[in-house]
Amino acid sequence: KAGVTQTPRYLIKTRGQQVTLSCSPISGHRSVSWYQQTPGQGLQFLFEYFSETQRNKGNFPGRFSGRQFSNSRSEMNVSTLELGDSALYLCASSLDTGDGKTQYFGPGTRLLVL
Amino acid sequence: GENVEQHPSTLSVQEGDSAVIKCTYSDSASNYFPWYKQELGKRPQLIIDIRSNVGEKKDQRIAVTLNKTAKHFSLHITETQPEDSAVYFCAASLPPGKIIFGKGTRLHILP
Repeated sequence: KAGVTQTPRYLIKTRGQQVTLSCSPISGHRSVSWYQQTPGQGLQFLFEYFSETQRNKGNFPGRFSGRQFSNSRSEMNVSTLELGDSALYLCASSLDTGDGKTQYFGPGTRLLVL
Repeated sequence: GENVEQHPSTLSVQEGDSAVIKCTYSDSASNYFPWYKQELGKRPQLIIDIRSNVGEKKDQRIAVTLNKTAKHFSLHITETQPEDSAVYFCAASLPPGKIIFGKGTRLHILP
């Protein structure tokens, strides 16, 4: 089974621009979560989508948004980019069965904002 | 609010010795506790997990313990090897579908 994929892998943008990142989950997985990873801050939860609905949201400003399509692929959008948005953005997918779930991470998109 | 505290942030142990990483969580509704290992430049990989109805789980040199009353869980690595050097993250899930991560522990295995 193919793993979680993310595109693009690297991105350079300037302040004020917007960016869209894409995540393709493992086939059959309906839950997709997004995280921002920066040195010293670990993995900060952005949001989680399940069956095209945002089910959970972290404490990020409204500039960060996402969506999920009927094939479970998910996109994340960041508008009006700031220097502090430079980070590794990871998505993870899971089957989300029972009372626990195993998340499988993609390779991440490294975003640099200049 | 939901929070996962992880300690220490950096840990150095002699090859062959044991390493212990500790985490605490805030929300008593958490029922699933995974541990991830992230090597430099790579994605986080699940190494072991434990559910709230189990107190301990072991997989070869890795074990995890959970104390629900104290809201503590720990990762134990025995007989450490150079390839154990990495950043380790603990996490706690909040149904339905939210997983909160600790800030990570950088583990150095000294020769």
